Amino acid sequence: KAGVTQTPRYLIKTRGQQVTLSCSPISGHRSVSWYQQTPGQGLQFLFEYFSETQRNKGNFPGRFSGRQFSNSRSEMNVSTLELGDSALYLCASRTGGVYTEAFFGQGTRLTVV
Amino acid sequence: GENVEQHPSTLSVQEGDSAVIKCTYSDSASNYFPWYKQELGKRPQLIIDIRSNVGEKKDQRIAVTLNKTAKHFSLHITETQPEDSAVYFCAAETSGSRLTFGEGTQLTVNP
Repeated sequence: KAGVTQTPRYLIKTRGQQVTLSCSPISGHRSVSWYQQTPGQGLQFLFEYFSETQRNKGNFPGRFSGRQFSNSRSEMNVSTLELGDSALYLCASRTGGVYTEAFFGQGTRLTVV
Repeated sequence: GENVEQHPSTLSVQEGDSAVIKCTYSDSASNYFPWYKQELGKRPQLIIDIRSNVGEKKDQRIAVTLNKTAKHFSLHITETQPEDSAVYFCAAETSGSRLTFGEGTQLTVNP
């Protein structure tokens, strides 16, 4: 079956702009989580959506937001971009059940200049 | 919230030796502890996981141990091979929907 697909793979944006990233989970998976990965910081949890509802949220400013559609595809939006937002953004797809494997996408590499 | 600490941040071993990576967590309600391997330029992939009702789990050369009393768990890789070189992440989950990751361990296996 198809894996987790993230688009685009690479983005270059200017400070102050906004950006939208997309994640298509594995068919049948209802949970999508987003993570920010930077060197030395590991994977920082942004938020998790399940059946179109935000179920969990990490400690990121309100500039970071997301949503999930009825087909479980999810988008993440970052407004008023800052240089420090440059990172690899990963989404992870899960069936939605407890303690299940998270399948990651290839990520979107965002560079803010 | 949950906090996961991982040590060491870098680990270099000779091919054939064993490697051990340790993690501690803060929330005693955590019940699921997966380990992910991320090769350079690739996505993280699950290599093994353990639930809180189990103390140890093995899968070929990989094993994970869990001590709930001490709130720590460890990854053991035996007979290491160059293809084991990667960044390894531990994680803990409390509520069934939020994984908290450690900062990662860069493992290098020297031929």
